[in-house]
Amino acid sequence: KQEVTQIPAALSVPEGENLVLNCSFTDSAIYNLQWFRQDPGKGLTSLLLIQSSQREQTSGRLNASLDKSSGRSTLYIAASQPGDSATYLCAVRFSSGTGANNLFFGTGTRLTVIP
Amino acid sequence: DGGITQSPKYLFRKEGQNVTLSCEQNLNHDAMYWYRQDPGQGLRLIYYSQIVNDFQKGDIAEGYSVSREKKESFPLTVTSAQKNPTAFYLCASKGAPYEKLFFGSGTQLSVL
Repeated sequence: KQEVTQIPAALSVPEGENLVLNCSFTDSAIYNLQWFRQDPGKGLTSLLLIQSSQREQTSGRLNASLDKSSGRSTLYIAASQPGDSATYLCAVRFSSGTGANNLFFGTGTRLTVIP
Repeated sequence: DGGITQSPKYLFRKEGQNVTLSCEQNLNHDAMYWYRQDPGQGLRLIYYSQIVNDFQKGDIAEGYSVSREKKESFPLTVTSAQKNPTAFYLCASKGAPYEKLFFGSGTQLSVL
């Protein structure tokens, strides 16, 4: 069964700290993995997309890595700020299946950055 | 600005009533999706469409219906057959197969 897991469900850190969010998936045969940010009551904002042939992607203070063999991705946030407080979700598109039925979402990690 | 517009932001449904959620995109994307989000759960796929006049059921299609008459529009109807409709509904679209998925701002549906 294909699953995407994000642990912990919630994380609190003091402002300025570097932090890592985790995403694990059950099948190493993937097309890509995408990280999203969701603010309360809002839609999902795409942060980074990593194709299966890539090891990492960077955007500003964000760096996402991908290790297919271990079924893991991490989202690294440098020098965290209160404005980074949100829920972060990862979504994995597995190689098996067609259409949209091969895209699986984790339940997210709710991040709180304390001023 | 290019993007996906969902309306309304909040919607209330009376028992036995059908309601329709709007989703419009001006990104020229072929594929569009509807997801349901419940607290503490991941997003679940309701319906998706990869091309105009064609759509497929997702994991939880029962009690929902869609149409795709125009490339820009993918409305979702929550029918009276959906017994637990209270949730946050998200519309998304995508261009090429392995490109990013873009989301609208969501519609919160509640039952009166």
